[in-house]
Amino acid sequence: SSELTQDPAVSVALGQTVRITCLGDSLRSYYAIWYQQKPGQAPVVVIYDKNKRPSGIPDRFSGSSSGNRASLTIAGAQAEDEADYYCNSRDSSGNHWVFGGGTKLTVL
Amino acid sequence: EVQLVESGGGLVQPGRSLRLSCTASGFTFGHYAMSWIRQAPGKGLEWVGFIRSTTFGGTTEYAASLKGRFTISRDDSKNIAYLHMNSLKTEDTAVYYCTRDRLSSLDYWGQGTLVTVSS
Repeated sequence: SSELTQDPAVSVALGQTVRITCLGDSLRSYYAIWYQQKPGQAPVVVIYDKNKRPSGIPDRFSGSSSGNRASLTIAGAQAEDEADYYCNSRDSSGNHWVFGGGTKLTVL
Repeated sequence: EVQLVESGGGLVQPGRSLRLSCTASGFTFGHYAMSWIRQAPGKGLEWVGFIRSTTFGGTTEYAASLKGRFTISRDDSKNIAYLHMNSLKTEDTAVYYCTRDRLSSLDYWGQGTLVTVSS
């Protein structure tokens, strides 16, 4: 299968911890990458190689995976974390990229 | 500083063709694969295809849904990647992003260029 599935929307109270999940068969073979996209902006990588953060990404962002499930955790969500989050990985063939449908995170 | 700048978007009639360009700077362009991603208005991200580095043959892969209408090429002497789009349909309306494609992630993205397919 070449699909990645995400919950369409998740909400979190300011300062609380939230987990965004991604399901897909390809995640058994390839790490998920997580992107944050704010309105009118290009996506930005927040997690790659399972749990690595690019320079400039706060350490409240972390990633994990098990079997066909990958998760992005934001510990102590901030107002500026309100955005769309997309998971991404190679498909099962390894030759194509596939994206999840995205999760809209609302910080209350 | 890595920069990717897309250009060539605009309004085009259904059935026509369009070529998008992605001009890269701040890194050794020829050493990297480049991917194109699109995002229809209000929708999610969709991978279009990529072109491997010349070191790896400069070969290409595409999303099956595009059925051969789209072609990616590169000119390493100019640091430019191209997306050639043929037989455009209204559903191809989207912002098109070029990205630097590391095996581990699409680590840098351009600001995107809007393609509107409409009569």
